[in-house]
Amino acid sequence: GAVVSQHPSRVICKSGTSVKIECRSLDFQATTMFWYRQFPKKSLMLMATSNEGSKATYEQGVEKDKFLINHASLTLSTLTVTSAHPEDSSFYICSARDMARLNEQFFGPGTRLTVL
Amino acid sequence: AQKITQTQPGMFVQEKEAVTLDCTYDTSDQSYGLFWYKQPSSGEMIFLIYQGSYDEQNATEGRYSLNFQKARKSANLVISASQLGDSAMYFCAMREGYNQGGKLIFGQGTELSVKP
Repeated sequence: GAVVSQHPSRVICKSGTSVKIECRSLDFQATTMFWYRQFPKKSLMLMATSNEGSKATYEQGVEKDKFLINHASLTLSTLTVTSAHPEDSSFYICSARDMARLNEQFFGPGTRLTVL
Repeated sequence: AQKITQTQPGMFVQEKEAVTLDCTYDTSDQSYGLFWYKQPSSGEMIFLIYQGSYDEQNATEGRYSLNFQKARKSANLVISASQLGDSAMYFCAMREGYNQGGKLIFGQGTELSVKP
């Protein structure tokens, strides 16, 4: 099956700093990647759709300047949480859509962000 | 309006018995896809099964089957012969349109506990 990696798996940072999370499709090309946020025991909330070579499409209520998304290649998308605050602490999960298998979407293992 | 609804926050099942996890959805699209994912405590999202809106037969994957009732807009997951390793969060998700961006909308999730 297709593999999606995320780095780092865990990060702890101080309030006010920026954190970058990488999402990579390892064995397939993904023109579209998605970023989700999940609180404990809650559902996945879609934050934005990341398209290779173009600007990301953000869901309503998600701050574009707070959560910067870059999709520079067919295998890499990055999410940068700028000026992180404790309320940004969460589990962030990316997924990638395989160009060859449009019905399937593969998820990364997630990144747990803790802002002190 | 909630597009994907899972009304069971938690479910218990005895090992080796079958269990049904409920999912109802709401869409005006004729073409859509329905997914079930398993999320163990590690956080990874594991794809279980997919049902397309035009698929006439219910999807099956090993011990997993999807009871698709289009007129009732329900897509319940049936797990047969439950195992202890099935204990996890289960999410139902929908993708509207065959190729409209591909974003998934998730239900609230059901926490399944398998008892020995």
